[in-house]
Parts: sequence; structure tokens; C-alpha cells
Amino acid sequence: SQQGEEDPQALSIQEGENATMNCSYKTSINNLQWYRQNSGRGLVHLILIRSNEREKHSGRLRVTLDTSKKSSSLLITASRAADTASYFCAGTSGSRLTFGEGTQLTVNP
Amino acid sequence: EAGVAQSPRYKIIEKRQSVAFWCNPISGHATLYWYQQILGQGPKLLIQFQNNGVVDDSQLPKDRFSAERLKGVDSTLKIQPAKLEDSAVYLCASSWRGTGELFFGEGSRLTVL
Repeated sequence: SQQGEEDPQALSIQEGENATMNCSYKTSINNLQWYRQNSGRGLVHLILIRSNEREKHSGRLRVTLDTSKKSSSLLITASRAADTASYFCAGTSGSRLTFGEGTQLTVNP
Repeated sequence: EAGVAQSPRYKIIEKRQSVAFWCNPISGHATLYWYQQILGQGPKLLIQFQNNGVVDDSQLPKDRFSAERLKGVDSTLKIQPAKLEDSAVYLCASSWRGTGELFFGEGSRLTVL
């Protein structure tokens, strides 16, 4: 079973706009991670937020975590065409990392 | 630092044939994972090793899939016999420990005809 469910499944925006992706998960987690996957490639780790953290920043990325609602969001500011990819959230429970179905982001130049 | 190496990148086989995938994790990473990713879906964990011991293989179809991690380093994933629904990308990942960031290889794309 998948741990996370991303929303929306697909998102298309213009370059320069912000992109927000949401993730809901089912069980308690130790941390929540976001990964990016370019077409035909492996996944690349973007950011990790621990269960006792509420917000974290890394460059143009901002992640929030609400453990009471079992949800997280990933915000990419000032998007670029190179941000076009699939984005996955993944929750760590014990030592298992379980991925959601992903959001396909398209940034149009 | 060298990344996670996987081979082959692409494989096409007929159903009922067998196939094997190889993974070499990042040096020093104790935890190794095999994920199956069907087109348009998120990766699904097949098996997780800690050194050369199995931590989690609850989602591995053991009637046809097998995996081993020799000497706690390289790993192979085998499918025998393959079914049409096994067509997917098989991703190998490693981590220094089991609760942090995972480093993924480029994946092995399997097509079963």
C-alpha cells in the first residue's frame, strides 16, 4: 500500500510562477521526504522534514508538515522550465520508506 | 563519490523467461533497497537489506522474485518466470542508515512481451 497520496496528480504552470504540491499520508512517520524524478531517470532526494519540525527551507523549496492532519506540502518558488519533473513524497515509518503516486509538474517557458 | 550503479539499463524478454538485475550501492551504505516502479506510479518497495540481512521483504512476490546481497555490498534481483505485469522499472537505492536520504540508481527498465 502507498503511504502518501499527492495532490494534484498533474500541475501545469508558467515559468516564474510558484508550484504547490500536497501530500497526505496514512500512518505515523519518523520523517517525510520529497524526491524528484526526471523522465527516464532515477529519483533524486530534495528535502527531509522530521516529524517534530513544521517547516523547512532549501533554496527555492519550502516544505511544511502537519502531523495532526497527516499532510505535507512542497512549494517551489519562481519555477523554471528545468523544474519539469515528477515529484514524490515518501514517509518513513520504522525503517521503511513508502512513496506516494507523485505529482507531474510541467513548467512552460 | 560514485553513485548507485545498476545494470542492465534496458531488458526485453518473453513471458516465462528469467531476468536478473545487478546493483552496486554507494560505498559504505549499509542499507540497500529494491523498488518496482510501474509507469505512472510511485516506487513500491520490494525488498530492503541491512548489510546482508533482509529487513523487509513483505511485498516481494516470493514465488517468482528473489534477491540477495552478497557480502553486504552488491545485490542481484531475479525474476523467474517473468509475467507481463512485471514490466516496470526496477530501482535500486542505498542509504547510510535506514531512516535518512536514499540515493537511487538510474533504474533497469524491463519489458515483458
